[in-house]
This record gives sequence, C-alpha cells and structure tokens, in this order.
Amino acid sequence: SQKIEQNSEALNIQEGKTATLTCNYTNYSPAYLQWYRQDPGRGPVFLLLIRENEKEKRKERLKVTFDTTLKQSLFHITASQPADSATYLCALRGNAGNMLTFGGGTRLMVKP
Amino acid sequence: EAQVTQNPRYLITVTGKKLTVTCSQNMNHEYMSWYRQDPGLGLRQIYYSMNVEVTDKGDVPEGYKVSRKEKRNFPLILESPSPNQTSLYFCASSEVSLSTDTQYFGPGTRLTVL
Repeated sequence: SQKIEQNSEALNIQEGKTATLTCNYTNYSPAYLQWYRQDPGRGPVFLLLIRENEKEKRKERLKVTFDTTLKQSLFHITASQPADSATYLCALRGNAGNMLTFGGGTRLMVKP
Repeated sequence: EAQVTQNPRYLITVTGKKLTVTCSQNMNHEYMSWYRQDPGLGLRQIYYSMNVEVTDKGDVPEGYKVSRKEKRNFPLILESPSPNQTSLYFCASSEVSLSTDTQYFGPGTRLTVL
C-alpha cells in the first residue's frame, strides 16, 4: 500500500544550526512533492513544491531535495531561528489521480 | 485578502444531531477539499471537488457528505455525527493545474461529538 513517512519524534536543535527533516514514501510515483508548515491549532501553510524531474529547490533559508530513486525528500532550514519552531508536513500527489496525500508531520523545536 | 474561511471554528454537539460546517474561498479556485486531522494519524482527506457539481471520495469519506453547488462554497455535512468524528477539520482550495497544486487551508474547525 502507499505510504508516506515522516519522523514522528520531535527534532530539537540549537538556534543557528541547520535543521534537516525527512520524508520517505513507498508505492508512489509522485508528480511532485510539497512541504507545508503548521503551527498549533492553525491550518498548514505552503512552503515549497518540487517536481519529480527536479533534484533541488531553494527559497530563502529553505532547501528541498527530491531523490526519486531513494524515494525520499529532505527539507533543510539553514540558520534556524526559534520562530521556525512548528510542525512540517510533506505531501505527495501521484501521477494518477487527483488526491494530495500528507505525511504525519515532524515537529521542529529550535532552542535559543 | 485571499483566504479560505470556515464556520464555525469550534462546535460541541451530541451524537446524531445533523450539522454542517461551511467553507468558502475567494480565490476562484476550482479545487476544494476537506481534511480531518487526528493525533498520530496526520491529515486525511475526506472528500474533494474538482469543480462545481463534481465531488469525489478521499481516504475517509464514511459518515460525511459534501456538495458543490457554487464554485466558492464547499460545505461538509455530518448527517448523524458520532464520537469518532471528533476531530480538527480543515477545508482547503487550490487551482487545478498540472504544474502546481498549492493548497490554501482554512483556519480549522474543532468538532467535539459527545
């Protein structure tokens, strides 16, 4: 069956370091993969989209990589700040079908 | 301001009492969707709609109904709510495009069914 896995354990890092979050998937042929940020009690907010034929995408302090051979995406936040503390969700849309499926999310805590 | 609105934001009800959660978007998006979010289970799609009068089941449609009579509105109906439908619900919308599928989410509706 199709599965999207994100580390359910919280990631704790020190301010200024690079945070790296992982999204692994199985039995998908994704057209693209997206990353969202979600703050407690609020709706997810779109951050970045990366397509199946792209290896890397950047936006300010954010970088996403996409390895369709490993079936994995990595999400990096460089020079992390306490304000980056949130839950980060990855989501995939397959080539067949119109559904966007979300992973369970990883909570990031950046300590000053 | 471009946004997705949901009402009510909080609702406590009893088993079997029909309820409707409204969702409206002002971005002229074709695609709208409902999700529920539960601890440990993440966001799961309930129903989605590609356009007016076109709706499809998501991962967890049982116990829910939707309608899409107008482009901007996509209400979620619980005909006979049960306690296992206690959850945080999100409505989302997006353009229909092969190159992007950015979902814009509403603020959420926290539903408790007693």
